Amino acid sequence: SQKIEQNSEALNIQEGKTATLTCNYTNYSPAYLQWYRQDPGRGPVFLLLIRENEKEKRKERLKVTFDTTLKQSLFHITASQPADSATYLCAPPVSDKIIFGKGTRLHILP
Amino acid sequence: SQTIHQWPATLVQPVGSPLSLECTVEGTSNPNLYWYRQAAGRGLQLLFYSVGIGQISSEVPQNLSASRPQDRQFILSSKKLLLSDSGFYLCAWSVRTGVGQFFGPGTRLTVL
Repeated sequence: SQKIEQNSEALNIQEGKTATLTCNYTNYSPAYLQWYRQDPGRGPVFLLLIRENEKEKRKERLKVTFDTTLKQSLFHITASQPADSATYLCAPPVSDKIIFGKGTRLHILP
Repeated sequence: SQTIHQWPATLVQPVGSPLSLECTVEGTSNPNLYWYRQAAGRGLQLLFYSVGIGQISSEVPQNLSASRPQDRQFILSSKKLLLSDSGFYLCAWSVRTGVGQFFGPGTRLTVL
């Protein structure tokens, strides 16, 4: 069956550095992939969608890559700030629905 | 602009009691609507989704049900709550399949 894996360990990054989060998927080839941010006690917030024919997509300090050969998407936050601390969820589609990964908790240390 | 409302924000209910959670969307027409549950320390689980009035797809067999009586209203119900129904319930909408979803503030349900 289709599987989505995100690093379950929390990621600690020093303020100002680039944070890189990984999403791996197996047993299928999604046509696109979404990334969301979730703060404690809140609903997820949609950040970016990248399609299989797009190698890279940017939005302000965010950059997402999609490597269909490696079956992996990388999510980068450049010039990270403490306000970027949150859980980031990878969400590729399975048939007509999107399936959320468990997320990676990111801590930006001041 | 579009907004999504959910209520109540928190709810404590005894086992065996009924449940009704409501979600409404403003500022858009004919949205796709979704109910998710997030248990403590776990990922988001899709419970139901709807592409139109009266059209409900169930993802997980359980004692919950959903209804869409109006275009922008989505209701999650149960006749008898179980302890395992505790969790964070989130409603979301999208303009169509294959684009980003926008989530409501959620309802924290505790079943005792």
